[in-house]
Formats: sequence, C-alpha cells, structure tokens
Amino acid sequence: EPEVTQTPSHQVTQMGQEVILRCVPISNHLYFYWYRQILGQKVEFLVSFYNNEISEKSEIFDDQFSVERPDGSNFTLKIRSTKLEDSAMYFCASSDLGAGEKLFFGSGTQLSVL
Amino acid sequence: RKEVEQDPGPFNVPEGATVAFNCTYSNSASQSFFWYRQDCRKEPKLLMSVYSSGNEDGRFTAQLNRASQYISLLIRDSKLSDSATYLCVVMGSGGSYIPTFGRGTSLIVHP
Repeated sequence: EPEVTQTPSHQVTQMGQEVILRCVPISNHLYFYWYRQILGQKVEFLVSFYNNEISEKSEIFDDQFSVERPDGSNFTLKIRSTKLEDSAMYFCASSDLGAGEKLFFGSGTQLSVL
Repeated sequence: RKEVEQDPGPFNVPEGATVAFNCTYSNSASQSFFWYRQDCRKEPKLLMSVYSSGNEDGRFTAQLNRASQYISLLIRDSKLSDSATYLCVVMGSGGSYIPTFGRGTSLIVHP
C-alpha cells in the first residue's frame, strides 16, 4: 500500500537554528499538508499546498515557516529560526481529491529544540 | 466555542464492553466528517468516514446528527487492541476546507 514517508524521524536542534523537515507524499496525490502536535495536545493544522502554492495556512504558520515542493516528489517544511515552543511532532499528510477526502499521514518527525 | 470538541476521557472499559464517544462541531456548514485513531506517539490513521445516513464497519458504527451538530462513534465488543485515542475530524469548519481535529478521546480497554 502506498504511504507517505517522512525524514528524519527525530531531529534535535539548537534554538535559533534552521531545520528542514522532509516528506514524500503518495505519488498520485495532489494536496499536501503539514500538521503539528505538541506533546499531550491536539493535532494542529499548519499549511496546505496545492498546485505548487499554499492554499491555506493557520496563524501558527508565520514568517518563520515556509514550504516547498522542490521537485516532483518531495514536500518540505522549513523553520528558519527555531524556538523552544516549536518542539513538537510534525506530520505531513496528503490526499488525492482535497476537500472532503481522507488524509494519509506520514509517521512524523519529532522535533526537539534545545 | 471550540470548533471541534471532544470529551478527552479517558474511558476505561473492560474487554467486551460497548463504548460510545461524541464529538460536537461549531460550524453548521461543515461538510465532511471522519473518525481517526491515534496510537501513542504515532500518526493518525483513518478509522472511518461518517455519512449522514450513518455507517458501520464491523464493530464500529459512526453517526452524524446535523441538527445537533455532533457525530458519534460506537465500539461494540471492545478489544484490548482498541486502546488508543480517537480523533474527531471535521472539514468545512470555520469556513475552511481544512480538516480540523478535535483533541481526541482516550480509550483504555482492560482485561
């Protein structure tokens, strides 16, 4: 069964450093998402991406965050200058028909900012 | 009022029990509804979509009540392996088509 893959599974970084989280969505999917989940809290939407551009973003997704689809397969989330409160599990997800369709999630990247 | 609200639990039930979870949503224009399951520190996985007419998948039954703006999940004959957090997901909440997650309801099934 096709799956969304994320790398790395764990990332430890110092406050103020830049990190790039990588995702390979399911190949025929067109809609891509980043969510995050702080330990013990709910899954929070960050950004959605369709047709090579951001379609929606949340208040969390400020100027420190950016997304790219640099080639036909990868989908990346960059945090320019990490803060302690960025520590969370970051999930990438994709879907094939967008609104109204189920999401397939990757196994996540646990980001720890020290 | 929160967009998607769930009782966090935990619901602690013996094997074989029947347990039900509810989830309320604030936007009456919401269009799509799902239940996801999340195991500890793992990704959410789709359990089932929720249709207006209600739907069943084995021991799981999901229902939608648009008038009262809630969805429910019923689990019959609980198994130890059902222990997880159950996430309610609503699309079209708050004028957005982005899937919005509830905080989840924790279920613990004990022998």
